Amino acid sequence: AQRVTQPEKLLSVFKGAPVELKCNYSYSGSPELFWYVQYSRQRLQLLLRHISRESIKGFTADLNKGETSFHLKKPFAQEEDSAMYYCALNGANSKLTFGKGITLSVRP
Amino acid sequence: SQTIHQWPATLVQPVGSPLSLECTVEGTSNPNLYWYRQAAGRGLQLLFYSVGIGQISSEVPQNLSASRPQDRQFILSSKKLLLSDSGFYLCAWTKGPIGNQPQHFGDGTRLSIL
Repeated sequence: AQRVTQPEKLLSVFKGAPVELKCNYSYSGSPELFWYVQYSRQRLQLLLRHISRESIKGFTADLNKGETSFHLKKPFAQEEDSAMYYCALNGANSKLTFGKGITLSVRP
Repeated sequence: SQTIHQWPATLVQPVGSPLSLECTVEGTSNPNLYWYRQAAGRGLQLLFYSVGIGQISSEVPQNLSASRPQDRQFILSSKKLLLSDSGFYLCAWTKGPIGNQPQHFGDGTRLSIL
């Protein structure tokens, strides 16, 4: 079975502070992991995926197979980063399993 | 370019009434299609997914059903709605059958059962 755990529901930081949104997964195969984001009044959309090893809007996420984690990080948070973030695992049959999500609130 | 349409945006239905939510994708062929329910504190729950016409996989036992009558059309239905069916429903697609593809989501339907 595949499972994604986001242990925190809410993270509130001040502008300019570092951000780390935690994600742990459970999957017997080779994992394909994603972070999705939903800004206020917008569609849920892809933020980044581990296979691309890219930085999007200053966010990065490294797959750590030893710790089965895929934490999302940004060194300096901006107010426009405030949103709902979901970690997701692509498993069998192209079926995505999402975590419960975390609300990031960046205060001025 | 590919687009996904989901309607209606909001729906208010009485308990016991039928339901039909529709989702269509344009600009691609043979997509994988998905229905999710998004609930506060529970995140995104996968309800159904489909890898082809007439092929439906159900993820959780429930009062709902799904159908895929055409390649790019995915319908979420119920014969008799329950109060517990209230929620926010999202349709999504990925380029199928290749894996590791991002999902593209619709705007969602807010369903309220009275």
